[in-house]
Amino acid sequence: EDQVTQSPEALRLQEGESSSLNCSYTVSGLRGLFWYRQDPGKGPEFLFTLYSAGEEKEKERLKATLTKKESFLHITAPKPEDSATYLCAVGKGGSEKLVFGKGTKLTVNP
Amino acid sequence: NAGVMQNPRHLVRRRGQEARLRCSPMKGHSHVYWYRQLPEEGLKFMVYLQKENIIDESGMPKERFSAEFPKEGPSILRIQQVVRGDSAAYFCASSPRGRDGELFFGEGSRLTVL
Repeated sequence: EDQVTQSPEALRLQEGESSSLNCSYTVSGLRGLFWYRQDPGKGPEFLFTLYSAGEEKEKERLKATLTKKESFLHITAPKPEDSATYLCAVGKGGSEKLVFGKGTKLTVNP
Repeated sequence: NAGVMQNPRHLVRRRGQEARLRCSPMKGHSHVYWYRQLPEEGLKFMVYLQKENIIDESGMPKERFSAEFPKEGPSILRIQQVVRGDSAAYFCASSPRGRDGELFFGEGSRLTVL
C-alpha cells in the first residue's frame, strides 16, 4: 500500500533558525512527489513537484530535495509568515490520485 | 482569474439529511478532484472527474456518496443520509490537464453532522 509519513508532526522555530522537514514514502512506480502549503482554514497551495532522485527545486526560502525513499523541505532563515502546515504527497504512474501525508505544522516565532 | 470556488463554506446537517457541496473549477480547467480531510488525518482522495465523466472513484465510499461534473455548471459532491462520521472538510481541486500533481485547491466546505 502506498504510504507517506511526515516528520516531525510539529516544529517550532525562532525567526532565522533554519531547519528541515522530512517526508518518507513507499510507492510503486513514483510519478512525482509534491509539496503543498496549507494555512489554517484554507485549501492547500502548490509549492513544488519533484520527479526523480537527485532533483532539487527552490522557491524563496524553501528548497525541496528528493531521494529514492524520502524528500526534504529545507527552510532557510524562516520568517513568521512561513508558519503553516506543509504537506507532502506522492502520485503513481497510471493514476491521478495523490496520497498525502498528515503534514508538519511549522510555527516560526518572531 | 478567479480561483476554485466552493460553496457552501460551512454546512450543518442532522443525521439522515442530504449534503450537497458545489465546486466551480478555475476557468479553463477541465479536471476536477475531490478530497476529504478528517480531523487529525491527511487529505484523502475521493474522486477524479472530467466533464460528464467519472474517471476514478476509487476513494469514494460505496454507499451514500456520489459525484458529478456536468457539461454546464459546477461539480457536485452529494452525500445522502449523512452520519456523524461524515463530518469533515471537503476540498475540491482543479487542473488544466491530468497527470500533473499541480492542483489548485478551493478553500473547502466544512460539513458538520449533528
